[in-house]
Amino acid sequence: AQKITQTQPGMFVQEKEAVTLDCTYDTSDQSYGLFWYKQPSSGEMIFLIYQGSYDEQNATEGRYSLNFQKARKSANLVISASQLGDSAMYFCAMRGTSYGKLTFGQGTILTVHP
Amino acid sequence: DGGITQSPKYLFRKEGQNVTLSCEQNLNHDAMYWYRQDPGQGLRLIYYSQIVNDFQKGDIAEGYSVSREKKESFPLTVTSAQKNPTAFYLCASMEGRGRFTEAFFGQGTRLTVV
Repeated sequence: AQKITQTQPGMFVQEKEAVTLDCTYDTSDQSYGLFWYKQPSSGEMIFLIYQGSYDEQNATEGRYSLNFQKARKSANLVISASQLGDSAMYFCAMRGTSYGKLTFGQGTILTVHP
Repeated sequence: DGGITQSPKYLFRKEGQNVTLSCEQNLNHDAMYWYRQDPGQGLRLIYYSQIVNDFQKGDIAEGYSVSREKKESFPLTVTSAQKNPTAFYLCASMEGRGRFTEAFFGQGTRLTVV
């Protein structure tokens, strides 16, 4: 079985501040990949960042970083210096090696205030 | 340009009708996925396929059917057995199982029952 849990339905942050979006996962696979996607109101899915289960370093892509704690099975997204354009729905996802199933969490709606 | 194309963008279905949503990719990806998204909700997996002529049920397959006769194409049929089909449908593709590049998404199809 494979499951992603995002416990924050909505988050608010002030412009230029940092925000952390939580994600925990459960899988029986030893090897897996973790992903974060952004979905603006237009509905498109924008890939943000990826972390492999065997990667020792936390992934970083510009203002996005992934705080990966394997023992806790968590893969939190950190957005630094929030911008108004960051307001969107954010999804955490996982793909295991056993069946190639790509599973998404329920999402977190982020609102950035000026 | 390589990408994934869904059509149509908007689709209206009468009660009791079957409709087919198209998904085509020219990324040479082995894996393809169909998701359903209800307003303000996460992505729920309907069906996925890792290779041609093979596919697996996701978490909400009832009332849907798929085929994978070509690597490039993964059409989804919403049958009359699906009692509440009004939703946003997203198709995605990825490299094969064991590879952890990101999933690419189409622009989505908004299906409405009239």
